[in-house]
Order: sequence, then C-alpha cells, then structure tokens
Amino acid sequence: KAGVTQTPRYLIKTRGQQVTLSCSPISGHRSVSWYQQTPGQGLQFLFEYFSETQRNKGNFPGRFSGRQFSNSRSEMNVSTLELGDSALYLCASSLDYTYEQYFGPGTRLTVT
Amino acid sequence: GESVGLHLPTLSVQEGDNSIINCAYSNSASDYFIWYKQESGKGPQFIIDIRSNMDKRQGQRVTVLLNKTVKHLSLQIAATQPGDSAVYFCAETGLYNFNKFYFGSGTKLNVKP
Repeated sequence: KAGVTQTPRYLIKTRGQQVTLSCSPISGHRSVSWYQQTPGQGLQFLFEYFSETQRNKGNFPGRFSGRQFSNSRSEMNVSTLELGDSALYLCASSLDYTYEQYFGPGTRLTVT
Repeated sequence: GESVGLHLPTLSVQEGDNSIINCAYSNSASDYFIWYKQESGKGPQFIIDIRSNMDKRQGQRVTVLLNKTVKHLSLQIAATQPGDSAVYFCAETGLYNFNKFYFGSGTKLNVKP
C-alpha cells in the first residue's frame, strides 16, 4: 500500500507570495492532518480534515487555510508569505476513529 | 537531511545498551499518547502508543511507560541499534480532539557503534 505523498517536496517562495501544498493520504484514510515543523517551535498542529470538513484547527493566523476533496486528497494554502513561514510542512493521514497517523515526507518551504 | 531541532537534548548510547527517552506532558485531560521516530529527511514514524487507562505497553524492543500522576511518559528501547539513531517525539491528544496532537520538543538519540 502506498504511503502518504506530498508535493512538491521543496519550494522556494518570496515574501508576499502565496503557496499551495498538496497531500495524498493512504488509500482508505479519510482523515488528513497538517503540521508545521520548525527548529524553534517544533511540530505544531495546523488543522485536520475529514470528509471534506475541517474538524479541528490549531492556533495559526487566517493566512493558513486548507481544504479536502471528495477523494480525501488535501491541500493547504498560505497567503502573504512571511519569512517565519519557512518550515517543513507535514501531512498525516489516518482511518477515522483511530489515532494512528501516518506521516508523509513533508514539503520544505523556504521563504526569502 | 532535514534539521528538526537545533538545540534538541541528545542521548548518546552504545550499541547494544538500553535507551530511555523521557517526555513530560502538560494536559491532564490527555488520554492518548504516541511515540514517534523521525529520521533525517523523513516524516515522523509511529513507534508505539498507549492510552491513559494503561501504565505500560510493550512492542518489539520498545516499551512505553505512562505515569499520569506526574504527567510523564517514557520510551525504553532495548538493545539499541545504530538504526535507532533519530529524533524521538512524544505526542498527546484528548478524547474527541480529532487527531489534534501536541508534540514534545524531541530528543535526539545517537547510537555509537
């Protein structure tokens, strides 16, 4: 069974731009969560989607948004990029009613 | 590879020794805990989990201990191998939190051959 895939793996953007990251969960998994990982703050929860609905969100500004499609694939968008948005963005999928999450390799975003 | 933490506490052990990695959590309402392993350039990998109604759970070469009184979690790795070198995170969540996990800051395990 294929694992969680994330595209692109690496991205360089300029301050003020926006970016869209994509995540394809493991087949059959309907829950998709997004995390931001930085050296200073560690792993922080962004939001979680299930059946195209956001069920939970973390404490990030409204510039961070996401969505989920009917095939469970998910995208997250960051608008008006700031230098501090440079991070590894991780996506994780799981079956519903289980907590065992499977992470993708992440997208490394660098904002210059 | 990815740098997951510039100032992570580091545990150095000799190959074949046992390793113990500790984690303190803050939310007394948390009822589910996971240990993850993250190797350079990869996403976190599930190792073992434990629910709050247990105080110990064993897997293959790994044991997780949970002390709810002092809000402390530990991961024991038996006969540590060079392939165990990685950053280890504990993560916690509460009932009906829909996969909203809070992660610890991580511990880097360095296994010397």
